Amino acid sequence: ETGVTQSPTHLIKTRGQQVTLRCSSQSGHNTVSWYQQALGQGPQFIFQYYREEENGRGNFPPRFSGLQFPNYSSELNVNALELDDSALYLCASSPRPGAIQYFGAGTRLSVL
Amino acid sequence: QQQVKQSPQSLIVQKGGIPIINCAYENTAFDYFPWYQQFPGKGPALLIAIRPDVSEKKEGRFTISFNKSAKQFSLHIMDSQPGDSATYFCAASIGSGAGSYQLTFGKGTKLSVIP
Repeated sequence: ETGVTQSPTHLIKTRGQQVTLRCSSQSGHNTVSWYQQALGQGPQFIFQYYREEENGRGNFPPRFSGLQFPNYSSELNVNALELDDSALYLCASSPRPGAIQYFGAGTRLSVL
Repeated sequence: QQQVKQSPQSLIVQKGGIPIINCAYENTAFDYFPWYQQFPGKGPALLIAIRPDVSEKKEGRFTISFNKSAKQFSLHIMDSQPGDSATYFCAASIGSGAGSYQLTFGKGTKLSVIP
């Protein structure tokens, strides 16, 4: 196990709703990255947080937003959910930007 | 635009065989190339990684071959076992500048090792 925990494990929402996903990083890790993995695809980078600041963002619209807290845990928020947002959302923590990323098991989001 | 192309999409080998998974990249700024293994219901786990200053790296039964001029790299699994059955992803990242440290993944290869 990587020590990265994500909650909830599964979530079902309807189109237009908002969702918050949570990630607890491995002890000693100050960097958290979020990825979206659609069915049958590789993970796609959403954004990275380093010491509570956004440290890079992928090609995702502004309705995808995040936070990192002083204990380095993190949240991913998605507003105005669309059907295409249905995916596995992965959180990865690392001791610093550029170091090995350790992934959690993910949150499976279904948008109906 | 897919920056890391992975093939094949799926692969079936007999136990003891040597599956080979190939990846090609476009962005010459990439300077870190990891391979991840993912089992159903789990997140990806790092297997092995290489930087472009070496042509080959071995860790246990896993070997990465890297061809910088061709912008290609591959994963070989020696003496494959049924427990190696999983989805394998290649990835690439840049160590500095805009877009640094974000992993760009291939689409994955589902490997099945038959006893």
